[in-house]
Amino acid sequence: KAGVTQTPRYLIKTRGQQVTLSCSPISGHRSVSWYQQTPGQGLQFLFEYFSETQRNKGNFPGRFSGRQFSNSRSEMNVSTLELGDSALYLCASSSGTGYTDTQYFGPGTRLTVL
Amino acid sequence: DQQVKQNSPSLSVQEGRISILNCDYTNSMFDYFLWYKKYPAEGPTFLISISSIKDKNEDGRFTVFLNKSAKHLSLHIVPSQPGDSAVYFCAASVLVAGNKLTFGGGTRVLVKP
Repeated sequence: KAGVTQTPRYLIKTRGQQVTLSCSPISGHRSVSWYQQTPGQGLQFLFEYFSETQRNKGNFPGRFSGRQFSNSRSEMNVSTLELGDSALYLCASSSGTGYTDTQYFGPGTRLTVL
Repeated sequence: DQQVKQNSPSLSVQEGRISILNCDYTNSMFDYFLWYKKYPAEGPTFLISISSIKDKNEDGRFTVFLNKSAKHLSLHIVPSQPGDSAVYFCAASVLVAGNKLTFGGGTRVLVKP
């Protein structure tokens, strides 16, 4: 089975711009979660989508949003970029069902905001 | 408020010996725990998990122990190999609340040949 894929792998933007990141989950997985990794805050949960609905949300401002399509692919959008948004953005997929539901991560998108 | 803590930022161990990584948590609602390994510029790789109904789970060289009363879990790697050199994260979730993982800060492991 192919793993979780994320595009693009690297991105450079300037303050005030917006960005869209894409994630394709493992085939058959219906849950997609997004995480932000920074040196200062570590790995932090952004949100989870399951069957095109946001099921969980972390403590991030409304500039961070996402969506999921009927094929389970997901996009994450960050509007009005700030310098502090520079981070590795990780997507993880899982079946979304069952008592123990392991998340498998993609390689991440490295976003640099100048 | 850090709900999941890995108090040792780094660990150095000789090849063939045991690596023991520790993780403490404060939220008693957590009922599913996972360990991930991460290389630079890559996403975390799932290693092993344990649910709160168990106190031990083994998978090859990896064993995870859970002490619910102490809110503590540990990962044992035996024997350690140079390829195990990476950053290890423990993570916890509340299963009924869905797929929201709370991560510790990570422990960098160096296995010396």
